[in-house]
Amino acid sequence: DAGVIQSPRHEVTEMGQEVTLRCKPISGHNSLFWYRQTMMRGLELLIYFNNNVPIDDSGMPEDRFSAKMPNASFSTLKIQPSEPRDSAVYFCASSLIGGGRNNSPLHFGNGTRLTVT
Amino acid sequence: QKEVEQNSGPLSVPEGAIASLNCTYSDRGSQSFFWYRQYSGKSPELIMFIYSNGDKEDGRFTAQLNKASQYVSLLIRDSQPSDSATYLCAVGDADKLIFGTGTRLQVFP
Repeated sequence: DAGVIQSPRHEVTEMGQEVTLRCKPISGHNSLFWYRQTMMRGLELLIYFNNNVPIDDSGMPEDRFSAKMPNASFSTLKIQPSEPRDSAVYFCASSLIGGGRNNSPLHFGNGTRLTVT
Repeated sequence: QKEVEQNSGPLSVPEGAIASLNCTYSDRGSQSFFWYRQYSGKSPELIMFIYSNGDKEDGRFTAQLNKASQYVSLLIRDSQPSDSATYLCAVGDADKLIFGTGTRLQVFP
């Protein structure tokens, strides 16, 4: 199994530019999560989707951030316009929702390291 | 705001010793608990998960859950320098996981 695939691995951009991060979840997984990790704040959940539907976007920092999941095998996280404080590692993760009380483990992609200058 | 608390460390242990990592959580209704390991510059990888009170063992790793006291711990027996990493505790909240900020473990030869 290929695992969760993210692209690009590294992104360096100038303030004000649009940034698009991409994610392909594990085939068969029906839940997808976008996290951001910084030294100061650790892993923060930005948004997650169940069956391609956004469920909770309360972690999205501002309107500059948006996420879509047009189909079960692809999601994007867009930042427009980008700012230096957006510099972080962005992780995509997927899991299989079973409908029971217990959560299934998350499987993480390799992350995108974003640097905004 | 539901919280997951971990001591940031570093926790330093000699090779061959037992490393004990602890995590407390605020939501008494939480049902699912996970330990992830993250090497520097890499993504988190799942080590263990536990759903029921008590101990769960997998090789050198043992997860311990005490729902009454709202803590979960990870024991690493016969620690190796390759175990040096940051260990993240995660707790289930509805369909998502809330992560602690992690404990950095250093195993010295």
